[in-house]
Amino acid sequence: DAGVTQSPTHLIKTRGQQVTLRCSPKSGHDTVSWYQQALGQGPQFIFQYYEEEERQRGNFPDRFSGHQFPNYSSELNVNALLLGDSALYLCASSLGFDYTEAFFGQGTRLTVV
Amino acid sequence: GQQLNQSPQSMFIQEGEDVSMNCTSSSIFNTWLWYKQDPGEGPVLLIALYKAGELTSNGRLTAQFGITRKDSFLNISASIPSDVGIYFCAGRAGANSKLTFGKGITLSVRP
Repeated sequence: DAGVTQSPTHLIKTRGQQVTLRCSPKSGHDTVSWYQQALGQGPQFIFQYYEEEERQRGNFPDRFSGHQFPNYSSELNVNALLLGDSALYLCASSLGFDYTEAFFGQGTRLTVV
Repeated sequence: GQQLNQSPQSMFIQEGEDVSMNCTSSSIFNTWLWYKQDPGEGPVLLIALYKAGELTSNGRLTAQFGITRKDSFLNISASIPSDVGIYFCAGRAGANSKLTFGKGITLSVRP
């Protein structure tokens, strides 16, 4: 039973560029949430997707957008990258919008230079 | 906004010792989760708590959902070197609400 998988594991982008990160949820899960984890901090909620719609959003600018596909996989897009966007981006999947437990992927380490 | 407080930032213990860590909130949570994160990895769920006063164990780990619903505690007994990592608490205020994380406690275990 595959857990949550994210790709790529690492990438380096230049300030001003755009990036797309991908996530496949744990088998049987239909809800995907994205988190940003800066160095030395806990994960910060970006947004959550359920039934291909954004259901909740944290305190992140519109430069952060996402998408969920019919197979429940998801993408996180960040436009106009800033140096401060450098972080570990985590995807978590759960069963149902009213989830109880979230299971995380290994994350994508994004470095903006 | 909701914040979860974990302190101290780091803890150093001797192998074989027990360690306790707590997490406090300025507001009420209906669900408490404890995660462990190893370097370069995503957080791994250790224990989930759903009811005030609930005490749940997972091997050498025991966690409790505080009666006030504003705190939770994690205890690790008979620590071993692989317990090294960052321990996060996370809370959810209600149905359909987001998970809020603490800043984590880095645990070091001396052999």
